[in-house]
Amino acid sequence: EVQLVESGGGLVQPGGSLRLSCAASGFTFSSHWMHWVRQAPGKGLVWVSRIITDGSYTNYVDSVKGRFTISRDNAKNTLYLHMNSLRAEDTAVYYCVRGTRGWNGVDVWGQGTTVTVS
Amino acid sequence: ETVMTQTPLSSPVTLGQPASISCRSSQSLVHSDGDTHLSWLQQRPGQPPRLLIYKISNRFSGVPDRFSGSGAGTDFTLKISRVEAEDVGVYYCMQATQFPHTFGQGTKLEIK
Repeated sequence: EVQLVESGGGLVQPGGSLRLSCAASGFTFSSHWMHWVRQAPGKGLVWVSRIITDGSYTNYVDSVKGRFTISRDNAKNTLYLHMNSLRAEDTAVYYCVRGTRGWNGVDVWGQGTTVTVS
Repeated sequence: ETVMTQTPLSSPVTLGQPASISCRSSQSLVHSDGDTHLSWLQQRPGQPPRLLIYKISNRFSGVPDRFSGSGAGTDFTLKISRVEAEDVGVYYCMQATQFPHTFGQGTKLEIK
């Protein structure tokens, strides 16, 4: 069974840092692009970042550029999101999402981890 | 950034009746590879989103055939042929043709 399990969320003060992790299982992690998507309380979905299979290329939404860094460890089947200079508006559930193969998009979602900046 | 606009934002539907959600993009979603990377996702209350439809009209694994997608270019539609109680939730369109990927605001489907 394909599984994505996020961890690392919590309460952090404005200006602080946090590292999210996503443990992948049930599929060949190194063959898939991976994404982070977030959802503020009661709001819609916002795509945050993507990393390609070997980690050599990344994309970010403008609101997190220069503050967040996506990375991966294919040997550990783990995706990361390093978040610095956190702001109140970064408060959200952060989802780890698998990129598809053969077409652009996302298919499998984790349950999410909650980040509260206050 | 490609802006995705969904209508309606709320859709009360009677069980067994059809439902339709529209999604319009601010620019064409046709990729240089020739495909249109428009997906539809469902988020049930308290759950993470789930992929329903990809590349406009392809149902993802395990998705009931009462869900269908159509459209081209900048205008897309998700249809549910006969709404069931388990279909309650918020539906999002998502474009993955350009970065940043973007989502519609979401359409809340509720039962009358």
